[in-house]
Parts: sequence; C-alpha cells; structure tokens
Amino acid sequence: QVQLLQSGAEMKRPGASVTVSCKASGYIFSDYAIHWVRQAPGQRLEWMGWINGGNGNTKFSQKFQDRINITRDTSATTAYMQLSSLRFDDTGIYYCARVALYTRSPDFDYWGQGTLVTVST
Amino acid sequence: SYELTQPPSVSVSPGQTATITCSGNHLGDKYVSWYQQKPGQSPVLVIYQTSKRPSGIPERFSGSSSGNTATLTISGTQAMEEADYYCQAWDSSTIVFGGGTKLTVL
Repeated sequence: QVQLLQSGAEMKRPGASVTVSCKASGYIFSDYAIHWVRQAPGQRLEWMGWINGGNGNTKFSQKFQDRINITRDTSATTAYMQLSSLRFDDTGIYYCARVALYTRSPDFDYWGQGTLVTVST
Repeated sequence: SYELTQPPSVSVSPGQTATITCSGNHLGDKYVSWYQQKPGQSPVLVIYQTSKRPSGIPERFSGSSSGNTATLTISGTQAMEEADYYCQAWDSSTIVFGGGTKLTVL
C-alpha cells in the first residue's frame, strides 16, 4: 500500500534551518511528484513547492522561493524539504503529498502524517 | 495571485444535504479538488477533477462547477462528515487552496 512517512517533530530557533524528510513506499517513486504543504495553527493549507520524483525538477511558491529547497534521493525513495531563515510564523505542520506526474489535475491522493515544526526561542 | 474563497462555516442537520462553495476567477475553466480534514489528521482527497470520487469515498460526496464557483455536495450528511473542507485548484503552475469551510453536523 502507498505510504508517505515523514520525519519527527522539530524545534528550531529563529534564523535556523529545518529539514523534513518524506519516505515513500508502495509505488514507483519516479512516476510521481512530491509536494510540500504547510498548515499554520488554525490556518488554511498553504502550498510550498514540489519535486519531480523522476528528473528532480522543482518548482516553488513565490512566497518561499528564497528560503526553500526540495531534493530527493531516488535510491532511498525519499524527498526532503529544507526551509531556512526560520521565523516564528513558520511554526506549523508540514505535510508531503503525492501527485501523479503529467496529469491535467494535480490531485494530492496520498499525504504524509505531517511534521510539526516549532520556531521558538 | 489567484485566490479561492470559501464560506468559513456551514451547518447541516444529520441526513440533510450540505453544500460548500468555492469561488475564484474563471474557476469553472479549471479542475478543482476537494479535501476533508478532521482535527489532528492529514487531509483526505474526496473529489478530484471537479466531479470524480476516489475509490473508497462514499457516493454521497459529489462535485460540480460552473462559472466562477465550484461546489461540494454531501447528500444524507452523517455525523462522521463533520470536518474542515478545502478546495484546491491549479493556476499558472501554482497550487492554490481555499480558506477552508468548517462543516458542522448538528
């Protein structure tokens, strides 16, 4: 069965960086993209960016493009999201989600369990 | 930037029909997805490509779209469907979510 297993909760200081991993299993990693979506406490879902599991191409939301990087390790079928220069309002739950490549409609059909990132002094 | 607007809350009695709207410029020309999110859980896809149901989603969930508005309809709403619902669309290679609608089943 398809699973996306994310790394555990993180607590970081303002100005630091955080890396969240997303281990995929149960499907062909290179046939799908991995997207990253975050949710601040009590707030809406917010799309951050994605990586093509096949060729590694990435695209980022304008809001995050100066601070985010997404990579993947195909041998480990794992995607990574790194967010730098953390601020207090980066606190939230970060999700990875799967989308079929070359689709007319980017639907997130499987989601990770979420990773809580807390930015605090 | 593209925006999707949802009502913050919708209430429905058990067994009745719940209707949740999502508005955006020319939204009827785009594919819309809908997600259900219960407290403390990850979102679940309930409608994709505007009107299709993933396997495992009950038939009482349906979606439609026209003009600037997409609609999620839940027929015969059950208490288990009390959750937040988010619409999502794709515009200029950017994915956009609506603000979410809290569905209360009273």
